[in-house]
Amino acid sequence: GNSVTQMEGPVTLSEEAFLTINCTYTATGYPSLFWYVQYPGEGLQLLLKATKADDKGSNKGFEATYRKETTSFHLEKGSVQVSDSAVYFCALVSGGYNKLIFGAGTRLAVHP
Amino acid sequence: ETGVTQSPTHLIKTRGQQVTLRCSSQSGHNTVSWYQQALGQGPQFIFQYYREEENGRGNFPPRFSGLQFPNYSSELNVNALELDDSALYLCASSSGGTEETQYFGPGTRLLVL
Repeated sequence: GNSVTQMEGPVTLSEEAFLTINCTYTATGYPSLFWYVQYPGEGLQLLLKATKADDKGSNKGFEATYRKETTSFHLEKGSVQVSDSAVYFCALVSGGYNKLIFGAGTRLAVHP
Repeated sequence: ETGVTQSPTHLIKTRGQQVTLRCSSQSGHNTVSWYQQALGQGPQFIFQYYREEENGRGNFPPRFSGLQFPNYSSELNVNALELDDSALYLCASSSGGTEETQYFGPGTRLLVL
């Protein structure tokens, strides 16, 4: 079945450090891929998405490239801020109806 | 444009009781999906409603049921509550189609004692 695997957290970084959060997936067909972010006490916000191979999603300095050959969608940011501290979820939609399948989430803590 | 709203924000129930959670979809959206997020985990799909009909269901027992109304708002009902039902319940709306972006509400946090 379809699934998403994320690197375990927490990830702890100093402000202005480079961020990578790994995400790999298993899916039939050609899924759309998403990164959602959850700030403390809040619901999920869409961060970025990519709908086909080699697409790059980007938003607020975050980027992720849809790599079909490695079934990956790693999240990157060149310089993190304290305000980026949150839980990040990788997710996919594949075939049938619009059902999101999420990874377990990766908590990011950024210190000044 | 109004985003997705959910009510109540928090709820405490006891085992065996029943609960109803509500969701108002974003303007122009006709599809509502419900997810359960246990503490420290990713959201799990419960079911989806499209134009008042259940459009798909995840691996949840029948005591989880739902409704969608003509204005596309939705309810999630859970009967015979169990301790493991304690979670954040998230509602997401979208404009239909197989891969349309889903927009989430803030969630309802349910605690079952």
